[in-house]
Amino acid sequence: EDQVTQSPEALRLQEGESSSLNCSYTVSGLRGLFWYRQDPGKGPEFLFTLYSAGEEKEKERLKATLTKKESFLHITAPKPEDSATYLCAASNFGNEKLTFGTGTRLTIIP
Amino acid sequence: NAGVTQTPKFRVLKTGQSMTLLCAQDMNHEYMYWYRQDPGMGLRLIHYSVGEGTTAKGEVPDGYNVSRLKKQNFLLGLESAAPSQTSVYFCASSYQGQSQYFGPGTRLTVT
Repeated sequence: EDQVTQSPEALRLQEGESSSLNCSYTVSGLRGLFWYRQDPGKGPEFLFTLYSAGEEKEKERLKATLTKKESFLHITAPKPEDSATYLCAASNFGNEKLTFGTGTRLTIIP
Repeated sequence: NAGVTQTPKFRVLKTGQSMTLLCAQDMNHEYMYWYRQDPGMGLRLIHYSVGEGTTAKGEVPDGYNVSRLKKQNFLLGLESAAPSQTSVYFCASSYQGQSQYFGPGTRLTVT
C-alpha cells in the first residue's frame, strides 16, 4: 500500500530563517511526487511535480528536491506570506490516484 | 478561465437528507476527482473519473455516489446524509492523471 509521511507536523520560523520540510514516501514505482500549498479555507494550490531522483524545481523562495525515498521542500529566507500548510502527494504507474500526506503547517513570524 | 469551481460553498443538512455537490472545470481535463478533508486525516479520495461516462471508487466511497455525464462536470451525491459525512469536500481535475488542480471546496455540516 502506498504511503506518504510528512514531517514535522508544524513548524514556526522567524522571518528570514531558512528551513526544510520533509516528505518520505513508499510507492511501488513512483510516477510523480507533487507539492501543494493550502491556505486556510481554500483548496490546495499546485506548486511542483518531480519525476525522478535528483530532480529539483524552484519557485521564488521555494525549492523542491527528490531522492529515491523522500522529497524536501526548502524554504529560503521566508516571509510571513509563506505561512500555509504544505501538502505532499505521490502517484505510481498504472494508477490515476494520488496518495496525500497530512501536511506541514508552516508559520512565519514577522 | 475559471479553473475548477464548486457549488455550493457551504451547506448544512439534517441527518437523512440528500444533496448533490457540483464540480465544473473549464480546462478540458479528462480526469476528475472528489476528496474529503478532515482534521488530522489529510485528503482522502472518495470517487474519481477518467473520462465522460466513467466512474471508479476511491479510498472512502461508502455513502456517496457520483456521475460524469459531461466531460466538464462531476457530481457527488449524498443519498442519506450522516454526521460522519461532516467535512470539507474538494473537487480536482487533471490532464491524464498528472498534476491535479483543485476547486475552492464545499464545507458541509450534517446535524
